Amino acid sequence: DTAVSQTPKYLVTQMGNDKSIKCEQNLGHDTMYWYKQDSKKFLKIMFSYNNKELIINETVPNRFSPKSPDKAHLNLHINSLELGDSAVYFCASRLERGGYEQYFGPGTRLTVT
Amino acid sequence: QKEVEQNSGPLSVPEGAIASLNCTYSDRGSQSFFWYRQYSGKSPELIMSIYSNGDKEDGRFTAQLNKASQYVSLLIRDSQPSDSATYLCAVNRRIKAAGNKLTFGGGTRVLVKP
Repeated sequence: DTAVSQTPKYLVTQMGNDKSIKCEQNLGHDTMYWYKQDSKKFLKIMFSYNNKELIINETVPNRFSPKSPDKAHLNLHINSLELGDSAVYFCASRLERGGYEQYFGPGTRLTVT
Repeated sequence: QKEVEQNSGPLSVPEGAIASLNCTYSDRGSQSFFWYRQYSGKSPELIMSIYSNGDKEDGRFTAQLNKASQYVSLLIRDSQPSDSATYLCAVNRRIKAAGNKLTFGGGTRVLVKP
């Protein structure tokens, strides 16, 4: 009965490959986020979706493409992976009309070799 | 100047003592403030939220907010070895047509020594 779940937990792949990460929340939230945490542990927002609509798109390479099929799901597809993409990617969610608290998934550790 | 700044630490605290963590932010339009705890290899876990000036207490945790000084702090009383983690300060700002944006500090690593 995990609140925010992500798959896969670990992802090891070679440069140039294309990969996807999936996120699902069962909290009834309507806003979902992707964050990237680099090796220095700095956590930075990448994208935000509200009711399947993209509302925050930070300065992220076009190789990253988020997609939200419905309010409970948010996916992240990454094309032509580069070494610098190695990081932990966290999904988070919140209720737009609730408080501003965000709840995080367990993370996906991506390693590009 | 970073939007949200924290001392990276490590902050070494004897067991049973009070750990005091500080955070400053640059955007005066910030509306709500959060402390997350992150154990190594785990995801951030929300431990405190504070919206108005003053103190907010929850168990052994007290958050303090001073909007005039753009300063947020977290006190951990009776520190336990299980409190050893990285504590992330996060600041929320409402952006028109773009919803709410949460900006994180770099985190303060806390080590509680038995």
